[in-house]
Amino acid sequence: GDSVTQMEGPVTLSEEAFLTINCTYTATGYPSLFWYVQYPGEGLQLLLKATKADDKGSNKGFEATYRKETTSFHLEKGSVQVSDSAVYFCALRGIGNEKLTFGTGTRLTIIP
Amino acid sequence: ETGVTQSPTHLIKTRGQQVTLRCSSQSGHNTVSWYQQALGQGPQFIFQYYREEENGRGNFPPRFSGLQFPNYSSELNVNALELDDSALYLCASSLASTYEQYFGPGTRLTVT
Repeated sequence: GDSVTQMEGPVTLSEEAFLTINCTYTATGYPSLFWYVQYPGEGLQLLLKATKADDKGSNKGFEATYRKETTSFHLEKGSVQVSDSAVYFCALRGIGNEKLTFGTGTRLTIIP
Repeated sequence: ETGVTQSPTHLIKTRGQQVTLRCSSQSGHNTVSWYQQALGQGPQFIFQYYREEENGRGNFPPRFSGLQFPNYSSELNVNALELDDSALYLCASSLASTYEQYFGPGTRLTVT
């Protein structure tokens, strides 16, 4: 079945550092790929998405590229801020599938 | 435009009891999905309702059941509560089955 493997956390960075959170997936065909963010005490918010190979999703300075050859969708940001502190989830939805399959999440803490 | 809302925010129940969680979908959305998020884990798909019919189910026992009403709001019912049912329950609504899902803030259920 479908699965998502995320870089284990927690991750602690200084403000303005470069961020990478690794995500790889297992699925048949070409699933849609997502990054969700969960701030303390809140539900999930869609951060970015990509629906086909080589697509780049981007939002709020975050980027991720759909790499079919390596089955990866790594999240990157060039300069993180304290306000980026949250838990980040990589997820996929298989073709014609109604459900999202999530990774276990990566807790990110940015220190000033 | 009102987003996805869930009630109650927090709930404490005793093992063996029954619980009902509620979700109001975003305006114009006819599909509701429910997820269980255990502490430190990613959300796990419970089931989805599309136009008042169950449209897919994850690996959850039959004591997890649901309803969707004509206004597309939804309920999640859990019978014979177990300690392992303690989790954050997330509801997500979407325009249709495989469209982008918008999440509510969740209901935190504690079973003692």
